[in-house]
Amino acid sequence: GQNIDQPTEMTATEGAIVQINCTYQTSGFNGLFWYQQHAGEAPTFLSYNVLDGLEEKGRFSSFLSRSKGYSYLLLKELQMKDSASYLCAVQDSNYQLIWGAGTKLIIKP
Amino acid sequence: NAGVTQTPKFRILKIGQSMTLQCTQDMNHNYMYWYRQDPGMGLKLIYYSVGAGITDKGEVPNGYNVSRSTTEDFPLRLELAAPSQTSVYFCASSPGREADTQYFGPGTRLTVL
Repeated sequence: GQNIDQPTEMTATEGAIVQINCTYQTSGFNGLFWYQQHAGEAPTFLSYNVLDGLEEKGRFSSFLSRSKGYSYLLLKELQMKDSASYLCAVQDSNYQLIWGAGTKLIIKP
Repeated sequence: NAGVTQTPKFRILKIGQSMTLQCTQDMNHNYMYWYRQDPGMGLKLIYYSVGAGITDKGEVPNGYNVSRSTTEDFPLRLELAAPSQTSVYFCASSPGREADTQYFGPGTRLTVL
């Protein structure tokens, strides 16, 4: 079967750095996406990885290791507005997105 | 440019009732999707469309139907509502499928009692 695992909840302090991990087992791999979802709102795109390595975009970076079936999202200089759920999704061999349940990130002052 | 719009935002249905969730996008995207999101679970694909007149089942299609008569519109039909269909429904669109970001509508929160 297809499976995406990520921690259910994480807590971090404003101004700090947090790493959210995602491991996956899917039938094929055509890329990995990270989305942000604030409570009661729609998911919005954060990053995309298809090759191994680190992609940096401002305060957010995403890393991929295809051989390990592993990715992480790194958030630096945390702000209160970063309190949200972070969704990991893998595009399988049919180009359909398989979604993790999301990691709820709580930022404390 | 409104992006992806969905109506209604909220709805309460009785068991056995029917309804249509509306979805419209103004980005001229070929691909459109319907997902449901249940607490503690990942988004599940219900149906998707690769263009006007073409639709296909996703992971959880039972109890739902779709149509795609135009590029812009992709309505989702619930024929006989059941409590198991209580969920938040998101419509999304993308230009293509490879490496393309999906853009989501604001969602419809549906409760079936």
